[in-house]
Amino acid sequence: EVQLVESGGGLVQPGGSLRLSCAASGFTVSNSYMSWVRQAPGKGLEWVSVIYSGGSTYYADSVKGRFIISRDNSKNTVNLQMNSLRVEDTAVYFCARLNSYAFSGWGQGTLVTVSS
Amino acid sequence: QTVVTQQPSFSVSPGGTITLTCGLSSGSVSTSFYPSWYQQTPGQSPRTLIYNTNTRSSGVPDRFSGSILGSKAALTITGAQADDEADYYCVLYLGSGIWVFGGGTKLTVL
Repeated sequence: EVQLVESGGGLVQPGGSLRLSCAASGFTVSNSYMSWVRQAPGKGLEWVSVIYSGGSTYYADSVKGRFIISRDNSKNTVNLQMNSLRVEDTAVYFCARLNSYAFSGWGQGTLVTVSS
Repeated sequence: QTVVTQQPSFSVSPGGTITLTCGLSSGSVSTSFYPSWYQQTPGQSPRTLIYNTNTRSSGVPDRFSGSILGSKAALTITGAQADDEADYYCVLYLGSGIWVFGGGTKLTVL
């Protein structure tokens, strides 16, 4: 069974950093396209970043230059390093597996709050 | 900047049929955008309904169907049920490693 479990969320001040992790089971992240999607409180879903099986990475304009997606093959995890955080980055961050260009499996999400 | 458009809200009567749409601020949606659809109820993670325009995800009832209608992707719910009340999101793959979600449609069943 495919399972994704996010962790690492919390409260951080503007300008600070946070590292999210997504632990996968039931499949191998290094063979998959993995993505992060976020949802601000009361708002819609927003695609954030993707890492391809070949290692290529892509970002939404709203986070480009501040966030870095990576994976740890030994732990079967995908990570999101978030730097220079802004109040508008406050959201629940979901990890998702991509299949046929669609988000085929979702974690439960982890809440990131950026506030002073 | 490309914007993916969805109706903000919609109402349907139990047993009724409804079609939600997903368009582009400029241009038409085609299968090349690999449109997919997601259902989300409050406090829950999204659930994948449709991918690759019209393929139902595992376990999704066949009263959910996807298509291209004119210049937009469409999600049709036939025989709406009370537990279909939710937010529905489409997402399009724009190419070059970029995905964009629509703003979502809040569906009320009453």
